[in-house]
Amino acid sequence: AQSVAQPEDQVNVAEGNPLTVKCTYSVSGNPYLFWYVQYPNRGLQFLLKYITGDNLVKGSYGFEAEFNKSQTSFHLKKPSALVSDSALYFCAVREGGGGNKLTFGTGTQLKVEL
Amino acid sequence: GAGVSQSPSNKVTEKGKDVELRCDPISGHTALYWYRQSLGQGLEFLIYFQGNSAPDKSGLPSDRFSAERTGGSVSTLTIQRTQQEDSAVYLCASSFGGLQGSSGELFFGEGSRLTVL
Repeated sequence: AQSVAQPEDQVNVAEGNPLTVKCTYSVSGNPYLFWYVQYPNRGLQFLLKYITGDNLVKGSYGFEAEFNKSQTSFHLKKPSALVSDSALYFCAVREGGGGNKLTFGTGTQLKVEL
Repeated sequence: GAGVSQSPSNKVTEKGKDVELRCDPISGHTALYWYRQSLGQGLEFLIYFQGNSAPDKSGLPSDRFSAERTGGSVSTLTIQRTQQEDSAVYLCASSFGGLQGSSGELFFGEGSRLTVL
């Protein structure tokens, strides 16, 4: 069965510093990988996805993620964090062979401080 | 609006009562999903509808949970004889063509927060 692990419940970073939110996955076949963000009292919003092609994927709000097949990771990154990036981030995976079920991680709370 | 609409936004009920949660997906989206978000548990898949195909009910936690989608649009999630462990935020999402489509992006509503006393 497919699964996603987000090892950090919370990540704290100073504004202007780079940020990384970690994600590892387990699937059979090639993975489809996603990052979603949830702002307080809001629904989840799509940030970016990896289906195939370049391992570095760029998404909304200056975020990017790097697919690493050998490490089965898909870490979310941003070169310079903003206070407004503070939110709950979810990594998700879908098996590349088919199916319509996204499996989500438990989420990582990002807190960006001045 | 143009987004996924869910109602009610908040529901407080007593243990043993039945509740219905409604989801109105984005017009034209053929796929509809229900997820449950519990504190510290991430998002738990419940059920998936795609067009006129039989729904994927594999995530429903018990037979107290059921969902239907009428006319390929609005969906209702029903929880019978609610228990305290049912307390969570229930999220609905829709997409065009399901995850096998070119986008693979789900559009989520803001959720229905259920509290069972």
